Amino acid sequence: EIVLTQSPGTLSLSPGERATLSCRASQSVSSSYLAWYQQRPGQAPRLLIYGVSDRATGIPDRFSGSGSGTDFTLTISRLEPEDFAVYYCQQYGSSPQTFGQGTKLEIK
Amino acid sequence: QVQLVESGGGVVQPGGSLRLSCTTSGFTFSSYGMHWVRQAPGKGLEWVAFIRYDGDNKYYADSVKGRFTISRDNSKNTLYLQMSSLSAEDTAVYYCAKLLLLWSGSAACDYWGQGTLVTVSS
Repeated sequence: EIVLTQSPGTLSLSPGERATLSCRASQSVSSSYLAWYQQRPGQAPRLLIYGVSDRATGIPDRFSGSGSGTDFTLTISRLEPEDFAVYYCQQYGSSPQTFGQGTKLEIK
Repeated sequence: QVQLVESGGGVVQPGGSLRLSCTTSGFTFSSYGMHWVRQAPGKGLEWVAFIRYDGDNKYYADSVKGRFTISRDNSKNTLYLQMSSLSAEDTAVYYCAKLLLLWSGSAACDYWGQGTLVTVSS
């Protein structure tokens, strides 16, 4: 099973700042099958990025994904108030698919 | 528009059983693989089970293998999760989720239901 480790656990930033979230895999992620989700309190997860760097439909271009192999990054270029939430990475190239433990992005 | 609506959650005693349903609309259900993913209170996301678009292939997390069964009725656009031998560790919000890609076995999930809460308690 591929273990995904996200860092930091909590990130405290202000609106307008840039956020960089990390996701490290215990082994190489097959075929770049790496996604990022946003989850606001009381809501279901929302797909942001798939295939490492492809934005899902309707996702603003301030969200971007990058990386390869075992190291991946979600960048939010300029934080909006609605971006403060929990973010999860997911690998879906190897069975079982797995999620990271999440990074909480909070307002500083 | 795409909609996924889970139902069937509730309070069940340890050792009991429950069947969850996920009723879908707004897309060709029979063309997409579907997942169940759960989230224990205050915790992260845990994948539970996957079924291929035609129901021919099913996969389970080790934590539920032999106790949970995923199935689908493409004529009713509905996904199911039959859960048995439930324990407190199964307490969670259960989400159904649709794969992004047609006829795929490996893809991200582009639509999720709102979730249904299963509480296992005596």
